[in-house]
Amino acid sequence: GEDVEQSLFLSVREGDSSVINCTYTDSSSTYLYWYKQEPGAGLQLLTYIFSNMDMKQDQRLTVLLNKKDKHLSLRIADTQTGDSAIYFCAEIPNTGFQKLVFGTGTRLLVSP
Amino acid sequence: EAQVTQNPRYLITVTGKKLTVTCSQNMNHEYMSWYRQDPGLGLRQIYYSMNVEVTDKGDVPEGYKVSRKEKRNFPLILESPSPNQTSLYFCASILTLGGGNEQFFGPGTRLTVL
Repeated sequence: GEDVEQSLFLSVREGDSSVINCTYTDSSSTYLYWYKQEPGAGLQLLTYIFSNMDMKQDQRLTVLLNKKDKHLSLRIADTQTGDSAIYFCAEIPNTGFQKLVFGTGTRLLVSP
Repeated sequence: EAQVTQNPRYLITVTGKKLTVTCSQNMNHEYMSWYRQDPGLGLRQIYYSMNVEVTDKGDVPEGYKVSRKEKRNFPLILESPSPNQTSLYFCASILTLGGGNEQFFGPGTRLTVL
């Protein structure tokens, strides 16, 4: 089945690290993604990880993938107020690579 | 500049009045897709297209139509809108990468059906 779950809300202080978690059900997913949506804007691809990787680092972003537990996380180091947004994880389901199955989104609020 | 454009960005209409939301991409992608975003539900795929004149249903196609007469355009048509179609709509143009894809999203169209 296709189901991706995220917690709805996360609040952190500026300068702290943020960790946004996601669980998915489709064990055959080849790619897993993190998208960012700022208020009033579309979705921006932040990063993605191929299923044969455990970790991917890109500047302040670290993605961890635990295939056994079907758990994906996004860590943002030194979180800034500009990081306040909704973050979506997404997977490509085994029913077709032409779509993404999205989680419900985690709203990250960064306070000064 | 590579981009996906949607029009209109905001639309308020009444039940039953046919409307079309346009989507255009300049990246020469074969695949395109429409999603709707609702609070607590994330994004759900409405329809997608694999190429000109080739379209297929996504997860929530009821009440919608699409067409793909040209590669760059993929309009979403609501023949008889109803209030439960009030939502935020996103068009995506899709770059296929061996076994996966990268989706480029338009800025969104916020539709209210009264």
